[in-house]
Amino acid sequence: QVQVQESGPGLVRPSETLSLTCTVSGGSMSDDYWTWIRQPAGRGLEWIGRAFFTGTTNYNPSLKTRVALSLDAPKNEFSLRLASVTASDTGIYYCARDQGLAVPRWLDAWGQGILVTVSS
Amino acid sequence: EIVMTQSPDSLAVSLGARATINCKSSQSVLLRGNNKHQVAWYQQKPGHPPKLLIYWASTRESGVPDRFSGSGSGTDFTLTISSLQAEDVAVYFCQQYFGTPLTFGGGTKVEIK
Repeated sequence: QVQVQESGPGLVRPSETLSLTCTVSGGSMSDDYWTWIRQPAGRGLEWIGRAFFTGTTNYNPSLKTRVALSLDAPKNEFSLRLASVTASDTGIYYCARDQGLAVPRWLDAWGQGILVTVSS
Repeated sequence: EIVMTQSPDSLAVSLGARATINCKSSQSVLLRGNNKHQVAWYQQKPGHPPKLLIYWASTRESGVPDRFSGSGSGTDFTLTISSLQAEDVAVYFCQQYFGTPLTFGGGTKVEIK
């Protein structure tokens, strides 16, 4: 069974770039699309985007100008970079596997999430 | 963007009783190619990530107890817990995958009465 783990700094200063990494064990990241989802404290879920090992990406239009996703299949690593962060970017960030290929579908394997706080 | 509206925000149900959660999409999420609705349901317990329960509106994920069922058509969907157990206390989310961005409902908190 695939295991998913997010890592990265828990504190980011306003206007800087948030960088997170998702590592997968027990499976290959080259078989699927991988997704970042975030959840502000006590609130709902927001889809950030997804990527395939070929470099194909889909982004949420609300974040498209600030976000970059990349997947390094040989290393089994999936990365998120979110530029020019503000306090509204504070929340738990999850990495998850997307069961869709040509189009996104449901998310069936999730990491435990990492809390990122944007504060000076 | 497709908006998913859940109701109620919270509900308290007695152990062994039925819990019903509703989700309404702002437009049809029916995939005509296979005549299936592109809706998934997740369960999130405190301090844990969401867990997939249901996809295609009514297909139960492997390992999910059969007291969980999904139904619906058009723009109205329902997650039913037929006999609430203590371990079912959680927040439940619906999600559409008919279009991007993927969007989720605001969540329904289920508690024991």
